[in-house]
Amino acid sequence: NAGVTQTPKFRVLKTGQSMTLLCAQDMNHEYMYWYRQDPGMGLRLIHYSVGEGTTAKGEVPDGYNVSRLKKQNFLLGLESAAPSQTSVYFCASRITHGNYEQYFGPGTRLTVT
Amino acid sequence: GQQVMQIPQYQHVQEGEDFTTYCNSSTTLSNIQWYKQRPGGHPVFLIQLVKSGEVKKQKRLTFQFGEAKKNSSLHITATQTTDVGTYFCAGGRGGADGLTFGKGTHLIIQP
Repeated sequence: NAGVTQTPKFRVLKTGQSMTLLCAQDMNHEYMYWYRQDPGMGLRLIHYSVGEGTTAKGEVPDGYNVSRLKKQNFLLGLESAAPSQTSVYFCASRITHGNYEQYFGPGTRLTVT
Repeated sequence: GQQVMQIPQYQHVQEGEDFTTYCNSSTTLSNIQWYKQRPGGHPVFLIQLVKSGEVKKQKRLTFQFGEAKKNSSLHITATQTTDVGTYFCAGGRGGADGLTFGKGTHLIIQP
C-alpha cells in the first residue's frame, strides 16, 4: 500500500496562475481532507469530503475549490493563485467509524510569487 | 468557532530531561489526537483519547485527556534525540469534519 500520495511535491506559481493539486489514497477511505500549514499556524482545514461526489468547506476555504469524482482521489484547485496561498498543503484520509486517526500525505510545497 | 491552544510554542531541553506540552480547547471535544511531525515531514498519528480522564502510555510518552474533555497533555520522560520534532494536538468533534489543530510545540533537544 502506498497510503496517501500527493502530486506535485513542489510548485512555483506566478500570481494569477491556476493549478490543481492531486491527492490519492489506496486505503478505501471514505473521508478525505485538505489542510494548509503555515509557519507558526499549525494545520488549518481548507475543504473536506465524506464520500465520492461530496465536498464541504472547512475553516479557510476562500480561494480554493475541490472535487471528489472518484473515491480514491481528492483534488484541490487554485483558480487564481495569490501570494497569501504560499504554503505547504497536506492531504489526509480516514475511515468512517471508530478510530479517528487521519493518514497524511507527504505534502506539496507551493510558492506563489 | 472551535479553537485549540497549545503551549509552549518552543521547548529546549537537554537530552535526558523530561518534556511536556499542553493543549486547551475552547469547547468540549469528542476526542483528541496527538501527532508528531519531523522537520520536512508530514504529521504522523501518535494516539487518540476519547474518554474523560483517560490516560494512555506509549513507552516514554504519557497522554492525558482532562475530565471536562477540554484539555490534554503529552509528557515525554527522558527525552532522546529521536524525539526531536513538532508535537501537535488536534481536537475532533466526532463527525466527519476535520480536526482543529493546535499550533504545535517544537521540541529541540541539546545533546
